[in-house]
Amino acid sequence: DGGITQSPKYLFRKEGQNVTLSCEQNLNHDAMYWYRQDPGQGLRLIYYSQIVNDFQKGDIAEGYSVSREKKESFPLTVTSAQKNPTAFYLCASSTIDRYTEAFFGQGTRLTVV
Amino acid sequence: ELKVEQNPLFLSMQEGKNYTIYCNYSTTSDRLYWYRQDPGKSLESLFVLLSNGAVKQEGRLMASLDTKARLSTLHITAAVHDLSATYFCAVYYWNQFYFGTGTSLTVIP
Repeated sequence: DGGITQSPKYLFRKEGQNVTLSCEQNLNHDAMYWYRQDPGQGLRLIYYSQIVNDFQKGDIAEGYSVSREKKESFPLTVTSAQKNPTAFYLCASSTIDRYTEAFFGQGTRLTVV
Repeated sequence: ELKVEQNPLFLSMQEGKNYTIYCNYSTTSDRLYWYRQDPGKSLESLFVLLSNGAVKQEGRLMASLDTKARLSTLHITAAVHDLSATYFCAVYYWNQFYFGTGTSLTVIP
């Protein structure tokens, strides 16, 4: 089945620790995105990538880093510089043509302990 | 900066009633999307609207797009409890999807 797989579903981070969230897609989509969602809020763009080895910052990139070494994969690292990382993280992918549509993974819930 | 505004933010409606959620956006775009999110879950695609005047319907939900007014509507007909969720609209512009603030819908028996 084609889709987007995020892992883990739940993640706990200690203060000062870096953690990496995985996002893999088998839809052959060129573009991939990372969003952050806080309780009762909308989605805010962290990073996006339209092509392998290239990515752009979104509205809230500070404290986060990404890589795009393969078309299928777009991992997000939450660094210790991100002071308030507790949130729901959503990965999405899309084509880059006229009929583009964002498809979402199931999300990773990150909690600082 | 592109803005996508939804109203109302919260909607409590009785079963069987009709209502409309509005999505206004601040730039020219002819690609508008509606998503549904259940509590603790990811976003599920509802409608893709790709031209001015586009109208799509699925069950009790109907979405429309007026690109000249920069307005999309999501109309709910004869609401049922299963429609309780948060609904987001999104606009595609310059390689990004911009999401509205969401409308939290509660359908009361």
